Amino acid sequence: AQKVTQAQTEISVVEKEDVTLDCVYETRDTTYYLFWYKQPPSGELVFLIRRNSFDEQNEISGRYSWNFQKSTSSFNFTITASQVVDSAVYFCALFSGGYNKLIFGAGTRLAVHP
Amino acid sequence: KAGVTQTPRYLIKTRGQQVTLSCSPISGHRSVSWYQQTPGQGLQFLFEYFSETQRNKGNFPGRFSGRQFSNSRSEMNVSTLELGDSALYLCASSPGQGEVYEQYFGPGTRLTVT
Repeated sequence: AQKVTQAQTEISVVEKEDVTLDCVYETRDTTYYLFWYKQPPSGELVFLIRRNSFDEQNEISGRYSWNFQKSTSSFNFTITASQVVDSAVYFCALFSGGYNKLIFGAGTRLAVHP
Repeated sequence: KAGVTQTPRYLIKTRGQQVTLSCSPISGHRSVSWYQQTPGQGLQFLFEYFSETQRNKGNFPGRFSGRQFSNSRSEMNVSTLELGDSALYLCASSPGQGEVYEQYFGPGTRLTVT
């Protein structure tokens, strides 16, 4: 079975705090892709990152960083020095076989307060 | 490049009616996927089209159908609407062949069934 679990339903932080969003996935495939999307209040899903199963290198993009660990089937997302504009729902998703079918986690709602 | 566009943005229908939603992908993208987002079930895959052919389908009843035109624009149709069909319907586009690419999402159509 393929599944994505985002155990944190809601996180509330104060601006400038660091915050990590957890993502655990399940798949039996050896080739798969993981994604993170951001959904601001406007509703549109915004692509943040794609990672394939053969590339375990961590990635940093500005204040965003991702930690991919196949040993624990996790693909966690950290926002450093959070800002109010980071407030959104963040989704982790798995692509594993099948044509362009993404399996989404339930999402984590992040609220960053000034 | 223009992004993914969806029309209409908002829709109110009555139980038993049918509805058609439209999606125009990013220019050059040949794959269009549809997702339903509800508070209870989260983001769920409906179906994916590539070059006018449905390549993948999620676990939704036959009341949900779709099609894709030669210009890659896609429509989805829901017949005999039920209250539970109230949701945000998101369309995503990607190149669709070769390597797995990220999907780019439109702003969604919010359907309310009364």
